[in-house]
Amino acid sequence: DGGITQSPKYLFRKEGQNVTLSCEQNLNHDAMYWYRQDPGQGLRLIYYSQIVNDFQKGDIAEGYSVSREKKESFPLTVTSAQKNPTAFYLCASAAEGWNTGELFFGEGSRLTVL
Amino acid sequence: AQSVTQLGSHVSVSEGALVLLRCNYSSSVPPYLFWYVQYPNQGLQLLLKYTSAATLVKGINGFEAEFKKSETSFHLTKPSAHMSDAAEYFCAVSDNAGNMLTFGGGTRLMVKP
Repeated sequence: DGGITQSPKYLFRKEGQNVTLSCEQNLNHDAMYWYRQDPGQGLRLIYYSQIVNDFQKGDIAEGYSVSREKKESFPLTVTSAQKNPTAFYLCASAAEGWNTGELFFGEGSRLTVL
Repeated sequence: AQSVTQLGSHVSVSEGALVLLRCNYSSSVPPYLFWYVQYPNQGLQLLLKYTSAATLVKGINGFEAEFKKSETSFHLTKPSAHMSDAAEYFCAVSDNAGNMLTFGGGTRLMVKP
């Protein structure tokens, strides 16, 4: 079945550590996105990529980094520079011409900083 | 920049009652609009989308939404709530030139037996 797989589902991190969240899709979608979700704040865009080897910052990119070496994969690294990293992270993808279509979301990764 | 306002972070209805979730957007150009639903600890699923073909849009699970340009609104309704409708609902808007969706803050729907 086609879809988006995020891992791990739950992750605990000590302060000062970098962590990487995985996002893989087999939908053959060109565009991929990372959102952060906090209670009462909806979803906020961290980074997005419309093509391999290219990505753009979203609204809250500080303290995060991404790569897009393969079409299927768009990992997100939460660095120690991110001051408040505890959140629910959602990866999404979209086919070309997405702005009239829909985003397909993964199941999310919940990061807790201890 | 686009913005989306969802009135009411929590809405509670009785089973069988009308569901009305409110969404207002800011834009001078008719945008593309979406409603997504999120069940606990899961990703978002598309309920319905408006792409200018018709102002009344029907979605999955009996939901529908009406685009009203004069009111810049895209409210979500369902005639009769079911227990399984309890979830968080997000309104989102894109614009023709952009490559991003802007999401509202979400509305948590609770359904009482």
